[in-house]
This record gives sequence, C-alpha cells and structure tokens, in this order.
Amino acid sequence: QQQVKQSPQSLIVQKGGIPIINCAYENTAFDYFPWYQQFPGKGPALLIAIRPDVSEKKEGRFTISFNKSAKQFSLHIMDSQPGDSATYFCAARAGANNLFFGTGTRLTVIP
Amino acid sequence: DAGVTQSPTHLIKTRGQQVTLRCSPKSGHDTVSWYQQALGQGPQFIFQYYEEEERQRGNFPDRFSGHQFPNYSSELNVNALLLGDSALYLCASSLSGPTAQYFGPGTRLTVT
Repeated sequence: QQQVKQSPQSLIVQKGGIPIINCAYENTAFDYFPWYQQFPGKGPALLIAIRPDVSEKKEGRFTISFNKSAKQFSLHIMDSQPGDSATYFCAARAGANNLFFGTGTRLTVIP
Repeated sequence: DAGVTQSPTHLIKTRGQQVTLRCSPKSGHDTVSWYQQALGQGPQFIFQYYEEEERQRGNFPDRFSGHQFPNYSSELNVNALLLGDSALYLCASSLSGPTAQYFGPGTRLTVT
C-alpha cells in the first residue's frame, strides 16, 4: 500500500516553465513533508520541507503548496533550468522520523 | 564538513550470500536510518538506529539486520541474499527527534 501517492510519473517542460508535481496522503499522523531531488547514481538531496500548519513555503525557485484539508501538497519549480532535470520525490514523516516516499517524478527541462 | 558517506559504492554478490554495508553519518548527527531503493521506485524505510539500538523498523524480514557503533556509524547486514534484494541501499543521518534527514550516495547491490 502506497502511503504517499505522487503524480505525474514524468514531466517535460521548456526552460523557464513552471513544472508542478503533486502528492497526496491519507495518514493524518504525518507531521512533516519534505521534497528530495535525486540525480542518476546519487542519493536523494533535501530540497525543501513543510509542516502541515503552513500553507506555503518558498526557498529560492522552489515552492511547496500545502492543503491540509485535502491532504495534498505540491512542488512548483519557478523559471526551470536544464540543470533541474532530475527525479523528484515527495515524502511524509511519521513516528520516530521514518519517511514514506512517493514513487518519484522524472523531470526533463528542455533548453 | 563531510556529509553522509557510505561504502562500498558498488557490490556484486551471489544469491544466498551475506553482505555488510557501512555508513558514517554527517558530523554532529546521532541517528542513522537505512532505506532500500529499487530501480525506478522511491526509497523504502528499513530501520533506524539511535543510541546503538534499533528504534523503529519498516516492513522488512529479519534477514535485514543492523548495528550502530559508539561513534554513531552504522552497518546494514543482509543474510541469505535473494535476487530481489538487488537495489540501491541508502543511509540517512539526522539528529534525534523529528529533524531533517540527509542521505548518502548509496551502495548499489547486485545479486546474481
């Protein structure tokens, strides 16, 4: 059973576009929602994270939007660049800090 | 300041063998979590170590075991390897409690 559902599976945008990746969850015990960026052959790198008492968080070109009532959250990448091409994972934390990950979105930014 | 390090980078084992993977946490971190990432999938939580004890465990069989040393480094052991154990094994470190987790580069295990 996938505790965090992520979509789309893949995404292609032009340079400067704003890709949006969506995630949904059911477990109301989740209390922290990070996003990770992973390049081929590398471990996931923490991008940005949000807690459920906040509706939006921005860090540089990355923005998380959070809808607690709908149990959904999304990542927006402003002014996307070819270097942003990677796989993005949403995650949710429960218990003593173990993370449940989505299935990933493979983003390609075309120059 | 070194981040999370893992060794070895790659490993090839035969079905039925045993393997040990190693992780050194980020400086100042005392908690280590292990994840398995199958090809094309998100990481799945195996277990977490804090104060040299397993604090929490995901849905993995007892063939997967671990250890944490007094310097906070950790080992993941997998016995009786199956073909399905082929994956990228990731170590993440954090401070105790609900804090951000930082991942290492992973160990790519191939079971033939």
